[in-house]
Amino acid sequence: AQSVTQLGSHVSVSEGALVLLRCNYSSSVPPYLFWYVQYPNQGLQLLLKYTTGATLVKGINGFEAEFKKSETSFHLTKPSAHMSDAAEYFCAVKVPTGKLIFGQGTTLQVKP
Amino acid sequence: DVKVTQSSRYLVKRTGEKVFLECVQDMDHENMFWYRQDPGLGLRLIYFSYDVKMKEKGDIPEGYSVSREKKERFSLILESASTNQTSMYLCASSSGFSYNEQFFGPGTRLTVL
Repeated sequence: AQSVTQLGSHVSVSEGALVLLRCNYSSSVPPYLFWYVQYPNQGLQLLLKYTTGATLVKGINGFEAEFKKSETSFHLTKPSAHMSDAAEYFCAVKVPTGKLIFGQGTTLQVKP
Repeated sequence: DVKVTQSSRYLVKRTGEKVFLECVQDMDHENMFWYRQDPGLGLRLIYFSYDVKMKEKGDIPEGYSVSREKKERFSLILESASTNQTSMYLCASSSGFSYNEQFFGPGTRLTVL
């Protein structure tokens, strides 16, 4: 069965520092992987997705993620954090029926 | 842009009341989903629907039912609300069965007293 694990429920970085949010998945089929962001009091917004092809995926707001099959990972990174990046981030894997399985979420805090 | 709207942002109900949460999408999507979001648990799927009048149970359907009479509208029903159903409820929609992403509404924060 497919599952997603996000390592670290809270991550705190300084403004301008590297952001690294970790996601590991398990899937019995080639996975479709997603990162969503949720700003306070809002719904989820797609940051980026991996389906097939290039393993380095670029998304909105300067975020990117790399699909590493050997490590079953899809970590999200951003070279330089901005105050506006403070939000909750969710990794998800799509199962063949079309459902999404979400990780537990990681809250990113950005300190000035 | 895809727009998914939910009927209420905040809702307060009493134990035992029947509660309706409405979701409408404007992009002719086939698929619609209801999730609940709780701290530390991420999003958990309650029900989903691939077509009008069709519904499938998700991971936590107990205590909930759904209705999809029109393609654009997907309703979540709490037949008899209980305090453990206090949560954030998120609706989403997507097209087809491919890798298309799900688009989310703003959420309804339901409090059951």
